[in-house]
Amino acid sequence: GDSVTQMEGPVTLSEEACLTINCTYTATGYPSLFWYVQYPGEGLQLLLKATKADDKGSNKGFEATYRKETTSFHLEKGSVQVSDSAVYFCALSAFNQAGTALIFGKGTTLSVSS
Amino acid sequence: DAGVIQSPRHEVTEMGQEVTLRCKLISGHNSLFWYRQTMMRGLELLIYFNNNVPIDDSGMPEDRFSAKMPNASFSTLKIQPSEPRDSAVYFCASSPRADYGYTFGSGTRLTVV
Repeated sequence: GDSVTQMEGPVTLSEEACLTINCTYTATGYPSLFWYVQYPGEGLQLLLKATKADDKGSNKGFEATYRKETTSFHLEKGSVQVSDSAVYFCALSAFNQAGTALIFGKGTTLSVSS
Repeated sequence: DAGVIQSPRHEVTEMGQEVTLRCKLISGHNSLFWYRQTMMRGLELLIYFNNNVPIDDSGMPEDRFSAKMPNASFSTLKIQPSEPRDSAVYFCASSPRADYGYTFGSGTRLTVV
């Protein structure tokens, strides 16, 4: 079945360092891909998305490119801030199947220190 | 728009008691999803609805769990009887369609003692 695999955390960085969180997927059909972020004590928030191959999603300095050839959707940011500390979830939706729900990876915890 | 609203935010109950979690969807969203989050298992999809109809409940752990959507804007998740292993954060989320992404509520932290 469809699945998402994320790199295991925690990822610990200093402020202004570069970030990459790897995400690969397995899916039939043509999924949309998403990154969600969860801050402590809160629900998940949509960070960015891409709906077709070669699309680049971006938001708040984060970006990810839908790579069909490598079935990947890695999250990147050039300079992280302490406020980026959170758990990041990669997810896919095979929207060509009626009623299919989002499938989430296990999440990657990012901790940024000043 | 107030977003997806869940209640209560925190619930502490004794083993064997009935627990009801509530969720109000965003107006105009026709899909509703219940997830459970634990450290060990991450985010697990329990059940989801399209247009008030349950589509997939294969993630519901056992018969002690039940979910309803009596109208287009409201859903409940009930656990009866509750057990300590049900302790988790329960999220609901709604969406106009899956490729738009979801809007999550703030969750209900359930502790069963």
